[in-house]
This record gives sequence, structure tokens and C-alpha cells, in this order.
Amino acid sequence: AQSVTQLDSQVPVFEEAPVELRCNYSSSVSVYLFWYVQYPNQGLQLLLKYLSGSTLVKGINGFEAEFNKSQTSFHLRKPSVHISDTAEYFCAVSEQNAGNMLTFGGGTRLMVKP
Amino acid sequence: NAGVMQNPRHLVRRRGQEARLRCSPMKGHSHVYWYRQLPEEGLKFMVYLQKENIIDESGMPKERFSAEFPKEGPSILRIQQVVRGDSAAYFCASSPSSGGSEQFFGPGTRLTVL
Repeated sequence: AQSVTQLDSQVPVFEEAPVELRCNYSSSVSVYLFWYVQYPNQGLQLLLKYLSGSTLVKGINGFEAEFNKSQTSFHLRKPSVHISDTAEYFCAVSEQNAGNMLTFGGGTRLMVKP
Repeated sequence: NAGVMQNPRHLVRRRGQEARLRCSPMKGHSHVYWYRQLPEEGLKFMVYLQKENIIDESGMPKERFSAEFPKEGPSILRIQQVVRGDSAAYFCASSPSSGGSEQFFGPGTRLTVL
């Protein structure tokens, strides 16, 4: 079984500042890693995913994440945030060579202030 | 190409009634997943289905909950004799295959049990 921990439940940041949302996971097998964004009263939208290869993954809306196997982390970063980035962000994993079911972290609410 | 569709978007039931949630996957997708999001929490996996088959239901409560994905028509998540603790947002996702492929999420059904 795997688990995902998002250490920060809320992250307030000023517009145009950089941001990092932290994600750590625990699993006895190899995993795929994902970041999803959820806007109020909407479903989830995929930001980026790591399946294999380069550990630095670039996604939509200027976000990127780096897979660190030794630290079992997959932190999400953006160099300059906009008001429109205000949303809930979820880190998720799924087991390789198994069903595609996602295990989610508890979410981080990013609040961008003007 | 329409996205994942869920209906109804909002559902109100009284304790003891039945709730039926519907999910139409994206065209060409044969893998369907149901997740539940309790207030202020992340999403929790419930069940994974392919056409006419339940692949993994390890996240489903043992009683009152059932799911199906018939050969024709949408996937149905059925909750019998609802209780207040069933109040949550229920999300459906679909993917074209397993093994790390992106899951596309619907907008969710928000169930309120009075």
C-alpha cells in the first residue's frame, strides 16, 4: 500500500512570488506520480505527471515538479504565481504494474494575494 | 470530444433513501474510476471498473454501496439507505488504458443527505 503526504494544508503567497508545494510519498513498489489542480466546485485537472525518464517534469500553466527518489518527494514549483493559480492542489501516486488507481494526498490550498 | 460527464451535479436525499450517481466516460475510454471527497479532505479511491467488470473495489464500503459499468450506458454508483456520513462529492474519472495513463475527471456529484 502507498500513502501520500502534503505537509502544507494552506500556502498563502503574493502575486508574482515563487511557490513550492511539497509532496512526499511512501510505497513498497515503484510508482507513477501526478499533480492535479481543483478549482472551486470543479473536477480535477492534470498539471503534470512523472512516469519515467528525466526527473524534472514540466506541466501546464508554468508549473514544474522534480522527482527525488532518495527523498521520496515530488514537490511542485512555479517561479511566479498569478491570482488565477488560487486553487486546491493534489499530489497523487499510482503503483506501476498494477491498476491505475490513484492515492491522493490531503491537498494544499494555494492562496495568491494581490 | 466531450469530457467526462456526471449527473446529477447536485443530489439531495433524506436518510434511508437511495442515491444513484451516473458517469459517462470520455469517448474511447473503457476504464472508469470512482472517488469520494469528504469535506476538507483529499479524494479517496472507491472502485475501478472496465466494461461489465469490477476490477478493484477495495475502497468501497462493505455495505450499501455498489457500482456497475454495463456494456451499454453510463457507469452507476449506487448508495442504498443513505446516511448523513455519505454526504460528499463523488468524482468519476476515465482513462483509455491503465499503467500510468492520465485519468480525466468529471465535475463531480455533490450528495447531501438530510
